[in-house]
Amino acid sequence: GDSVTQMEGPVTLSEEAFLTINCTYTATGYPSLFWYVQYPGEGLQLLLKATKADDKGSNKGFEATYRKETTSFHLEKGSVQVSDSAVYFCALIPSGGYNKLIFGAGTRLAVHP
Amino acid sequence: DGGITQSPKYLFRKEGQNVTLSCEQNLNHDAMYWYRQDPGQGLRLIYYSQIVNDFQKGDIAEGYSVSREKKESFPLTVTSAQKNPTAFYLCASSMRRNTEAFFGQGTRLTVV
Repeated sequence: GDSVTQMEGPVTLSEEAFLTINCTYTATGYPSLFWYVQYPGEGLQLLLKATKADDKGSNKGFEATYRKETTSFHLEKGSVQVSDSAVYFCALIPSGGYNKLIFGAGTRLAVHP
Repeated sequence: DGGITQSPKYLFRKEGQNVTLSCEQNLNHDAMYWYRQDPGQGLRLIYYSQIVNDFQKGDIAEGYSVSREKKESFPLTVTSAQKNPTAFYLCASSMRRNTEAFFGQGTRLTVV
């Protein structure tokens, strides 16, 4: 079945460091891909999305490119801030189906000054 | 402002009692979902509904029930049959096809 695999956390970085969180997926066809962020005690917020191959989603300095050939959607940011500390979830919606999001396990990011 | 409202934020219940979690949205979305999140884990789908008066089981529906009598509302009942109900519950909604879901702030249920 369809699935999402994320790198295990926690990821610990110093402020202004470069961030990469790896995400790969298994799905038939062309799923839509998403990154969500969850701050402590809150719900999930959509961070960015891409709906077809080679699309780049971007928001708040974060970027991710839909790579069909490697079935990947890695999240990157050039310079992280303490306020970016949160849990990040990669997710997909299978192509042609209903909007049943399939989530990865989440990656906790901790940024220290 | 449009959004999804879950209430209450924190809920405590005694073991063996049923409890209902509220979810309301004013985004005019067709689809609504309930997810469960356990510490350090991803989200697991409990139930979803694509239209009023219709809903389907997700991956972990046992011990839960839902209704969808109105487009705006999708309450979740955690029954006494749910073996381990303590968790963080998230409600979401979306337009019908291939669009992102929007989430509420969640309800943390603790059963003692």
